[in-house]
Amino acid sequence: AQKITQTQPGMFVQEKEAVTLDCTYDTSDPSYGLFWYKQPSSGEMIFLIYQGSYDQQNATEGRYSLNFQKARKSANLVISASQLGDSAMYFCAMGLGASGTYKYIFGTGTRLKVLA
Amino acid sequence: NAGVTQTPKFQVLKTGQSMTLQCAQDMNHNSMYWYRQDPGMGLRLIYYSASEGTTDKGEVPNGYNVSRLNKREFSLRLESAAPSQTSVYFCASSEGVGYGYTFGSGTRLTVV
Repeated sequence: AQKITQTQPGMFVQEKEAVTLDCTYDTSDPSYGLFWYKQPSSGEMIFLIYQGSYDQQNATEGRYSLNFQKARKSANLVISASQLGDSAMYFCAMGLGASGTYKYIFGTGTRLKVLA
Repeated sequence: NAGVTQTPKFQVLKTGQSMTLQCAQDMNHNSMYWYRQDPGMGLRLIYYSASEGTTDKGEVPNGYNVSRLNKREFSLRLESAAPSQTSVYFCASSEGVGYGYTFGSGTRLTVV
């Protein structure tokens, strides 16, 4: 079965500290992509970071990095130096498909609250 | 600004009424998608279109139809709305495999 699991419904972090949001996935497809999205209280979905299944290096985008452990089927998001504006819902997603089209499977999300 | 435009932003329907959610993107993306977001369930794929002229079912297609009118536009139709279709609906487009989705701002639909 193809599945994304986010086991942390809610997390707190102190401003300026780092935080790790967990994501595990399950698929038998050799080719897939892993994505993280941020959903602030305003409701829009914001793309943060992408990791391909064949990528050797962990993806990084500014303060965001994706800790990809293929053997463990995990794709944790690390946010360094948390800011108050990082408070939001975070979704992990797995993209599967061929012929140029990825269909996403989303996790249920982790709500992050950054404390001043 | 370039992106994905969804209309309307809010809608209240009575059970049995029909409506069409509109979505347009101006990024020349081939792939377009409709998702619904329900509390505690993440986002679930309703339908998608890999390219102009093609559409396919996703995880939860029952009660919905779609039309890929042209490369820019992908509409979602509820023929006979039910309270179970109360949700937030997102349209998205993508450049292709390995690229993130660009989402619209969402439509909050309530069926009473």
